[in-house]
Amino acid sequence: EPEVTQTPSHQVTQMGQEVILRCVPISNHLYFYWYRQILGQKVEFLVSFYNNEISEKSEIFDDQFSVERPDGSNFTLKIRSTKLEDSAMYFCASSAAGGPGHNEQFFGPGTRLTVL
Amino acid sequence: AQKITQTQPGMFVQEKEAVTLDCTYDTSDQSYGLFWYKQPSSGEMIFLIYQGSYDEQNATEGRYSLNFQKARKSANLVISASQLGDSAMYFCAMREGARAGTALIFGKGTTLSVSS
Repeated sequence: EPEVTQTPSHQVTQMGQEVILRCVPISNHLYFYWYRQILGQKVEFLVSFYNNEISEKSEIFDDQFSVERPDGSNFTLKIRSTKLEDSAMYFCASSAAGGPGHNEQFFGPGTRLTVL
Repeated sequence: AQKITQTQPGMFVQEKEAVTLDCTYDTSDQSYGLFWYKQPSSGEMIFLIYQGSYDEQNATEGRYSLNFQKARKSANLVISASQLGDSAMYFCAMREGARAGTALIFGKGTTLSVSS
């Protein structure tokens, strides 16, 4: 069964460093998303991406963050100058454009980011 | 106001019993979707079930069913014949509007513990 994959599974970085989190969405999906979950809290939407541009973003997704689809398979989240409060689990998700199953967003296993 | 409210921080159930996890939502949109996800201790987000606002029948997926009461704005998850492997955090989520690619809004989750 196709699935969303994410790398790395765990990233440890120093405050102020840049990190890039990588995702490979399900191959025939057209919508891509990043969410984050601070430990013990609810899942929060960051950004959605469609047709090579940002479709929607939350107030969390400020200038520190950027997304990119550098090739036909990868979808990345870049966090510039990380802060302690960026420590969280980051989930990538994807969904199809229409037809059966288009409503569900399928999540990857997450990348746990720890900022020291 | 919270868009998704899950009032039960924790629920306990015996194996083979049924359990209902509560979810109420708040939206002024006529078209919306409601989702339930399971998050085991390993951290991944597993899609369980979807209910569209115009769906007349309650959604069912195996042992999962969604008790959709539109007038009360509730979308409770019912798990029949609980299994030990059902122990996890369960999140209710909503997508406002009909457009694919819209962000999901999550509740704070309910921790389900199944004992033998």
